Amino acid sequence: AAGVIQSPRHLIKEKRETATLKCYPIPRHDTVYWYQQGPGQDPQFLISFYEKMQSDKGSIPDRFSAQQFSDYHSELNMSSLELGDSALYFCASSLRDRGTSYGYTFGSGTRLTVV
Amino acid sequence: QKEVEQNSGPLSVPEGAIASLNCTYSDRGSQSFFWYRQYSGKSPELIMSIYSNGDKEDGRFTAQLNKASQYVSLLIRDSQPSDSATYLCAVNGPGGYSTLTFGKGTMLLVSP
Repeated sequence: AAGVIQSPRHLIKEKRETATLKCYPIPRHDTVYWYQQGPGQDPQFLISFYEKMQSDKGSIPDRFSAQQFSDYHSELNMSSLELGDSALYFCASSLRDRGTSYGYTFGSGTRLTVV
Repeated sequence: QKEVEQNSGPLSVPEGAIASLNCTYSDRGSQSFFWYRQYSGKSPELIMSIYSNGDKEDGRFTAQLNKASQYVSLLIRDSQPSDSATYLCAVNGPGGYSTLTFGKGTMLLVSP
């Protein structure tokens, strides 16, 4: 079965650089969620999109932005990177017609290291 | 703000024993409850979901929900070393569409 695809798997950037993370949801899933997980931390919700519109917003820094495109893939853009942005970034998708009662399916994540 | 509380552990159990993981949540209107398993450096994997009071069994896993006490638990029978992971409790709110809030997770260690 198709899963949530994230790219790249690993990314190393220097401070003040920019990074773009991509997420391809499960086919026919219409909602995408982005989470950030620091070492030893629980996943922190950043932002979500439903049908290409921002649906919910969490603790996403102003330096970050995201969007969902017509093919439902989503990109998380991160600018002026800081050392503290080093984390695992997960994308998850769900089918909203069924609510979130069935939980999300997570991608494998992108490990961002800022040096 | 919704809160989901878990004991961080580690919870250590011998192989073959029952592991009991607990979670409390603050939003009384929450409707859907999930347990995710996460191996170090990997993404969370959904292992159980529960929506109504009582028990739900799936193989070696049993989820228990008590909405009056705002408490959800996960029992793992016949624990195996491969069950060693962090278990995340997640809750969503009323309406079904709200974002999942995760607890900080409980680390389970199963010794051979």
